Amino acid sequence: DGGITQSPKYLFRKEGQNVTLSCEQNLNHDAMYWYRQDPGQGLRLIYYSQIVNDFQKGDIAEGYSVSREKKESFPLTVTSAQKNPTAFYLCASSIDSLTANYGYTFGSGTRLTVV
Amino acid sequence: AQSVSQHNHHVILSEAASLELGCNYSYGGTVNLFWYVQYPGQHLQLLLKYFSGDPLVKGIKGFEAEFIKSKFSFNLRKPSVQWSDTAEYFCAVNALDSSASKIIFGSGTRLSIRP
Repeated sequence: DGGITQSPKYLFRKEGQNVTLSCEQNLNHDAMYWYRQDPGQGLRLIYYSQIVNDFQKGDIAEGYSVSREKKESFPLTVTSAQKNPTAFYLCASSIDSLTANYGYTFGSGTRLTVV
Repeated sequence: AQSVSQHNHHVILSEAASLELGCNYSYGGTVNLFWYVQYPGQHLQLLLKYFSGDPLVKGIKGFEAEFIKSKFSFNLRKPSVQWSDTAEYFCAVNALDSSASKIIFGSGTRLSIRP
């Protein structure tokens, strides 16, 4: 079945450590996105990529980094510079790179907790 | 910049009651509009979308939404809710005239249905 796989489902990180969240899709979608979901704040865009080897900052990119070396993969690194990293992280993809006309397909999310 | 407002953070209804969840957006150009639903422990799923044409769109599970351009609104409705409709609902907007393809989400409305 086609879809988006995010791993791990739960992740614990010590303060001061970097951690990388995986997102893989086999839908042949051009565009991929990372959102952060916090209670009462909905989904906020961290980074997005419309094509391989290209990505843009979203609304809350500080303290995060991404890469898009392959079409199917869009990993997100939460760095030690991110002041409040504990959250639920969602990866999404859309079929075309110009407009997200068909809406997004979402992964199941990774819950990151800083201990 | 575009934004999406969902004024109801938590709605509690009894089964068979009628539902209307408000959604307003701020963007003067052409938009695609979406409602997503997140059932407890599940992925975000697309409930319905508006691209063009008939402003009354029907989605899955008996939901519908009406696009009123003059009011910048896209309210979600269901004539008779069921306990299984308990979920969080997100309104989202894609501004088609902007240079980047990204969807902006509202903060979400949590719907609780009393059996």
